[in-house]
Amino acid sequence: NAGVTQTPKFQVLKTGQSMTLQCAQDMNHNSMYWYRQDPGMGLRLIYYSASEGTTDKGEVPNGYNVSRLNKREFSLRLESAAPSQTSVYFCASTLRGALQETQYFGPGTRLLVL
Amino acid sequence: KQEVTQIPAALSVPEGENLVLNCSFTDSAIYNLQWFRQDPGKGLTSLLLIQSSQREQTSGRLNASLDKSSGRSTLYIAASQPGDSATYLCAVRSGNTPLVFGKGTRLSVIA
Repeated sequence: NAGVTQTPKFQVLKTGQSMTLQCAQDMNHNSMYWYRQDPGMGLRLIYYSASEGTTDKGEVPNGYNVSRLNKREFSLRLESAAPSQTSVYFCASTLRGALQETQYFGPGTRLLVL
Repeated sequence: KQEVTQIPAALSVPEGENLVLNCSFTDSAIYNLQWFRQDPGKGLTSLLLIQSSQREQTSGRLNASLDKSSGRSTLYIAASQPGDSATYLCAVRSGNTPLVFGKGTRLSVIA
């Protein structure tokens, strides 16, 4: 099992450009999450998908959109990147409702917006 | 709204010392609590998960305890090693909401 995979690993964008961060999990998990991590701010939830076909806003959704493409894949899109979106982005998944509801994280995408 | 606090933000100890990391949360009606480890430049790895009905969980040299009534959890690391150096994060799930994370404690174990 690959667990949670994220692409790309690193990206540099110019202000106003768009991009999509990809995430996939092979653990048959129902719930998937997108976080950003910034120094001093901790881990903040952007969007999540509790189950296939549903998405909900987290703490910091502005400037982002998501798509739960199928049970395995959950993408995060930046329509018009801003320097404030420079961050490390993590995707995570879990089998919500299971006895052991452990959350698994991907390796992260480092995004720099100039 | 659930809030999770971890104190101290950073901790430095000599190798071999036993240590305790603290986590507190404001709403005691939790579903579970998880401890994670994060190495520099890496994603988070789950260490221990405690269900709301449990008091503690153990894995090797790690022991996590949960006291819901006081809104506290501790992560005990026995006989610390330089390889334990990392940031440790606590996260709480309440009701139908996603995990709420603390900001973590950055641990340095000095050889």
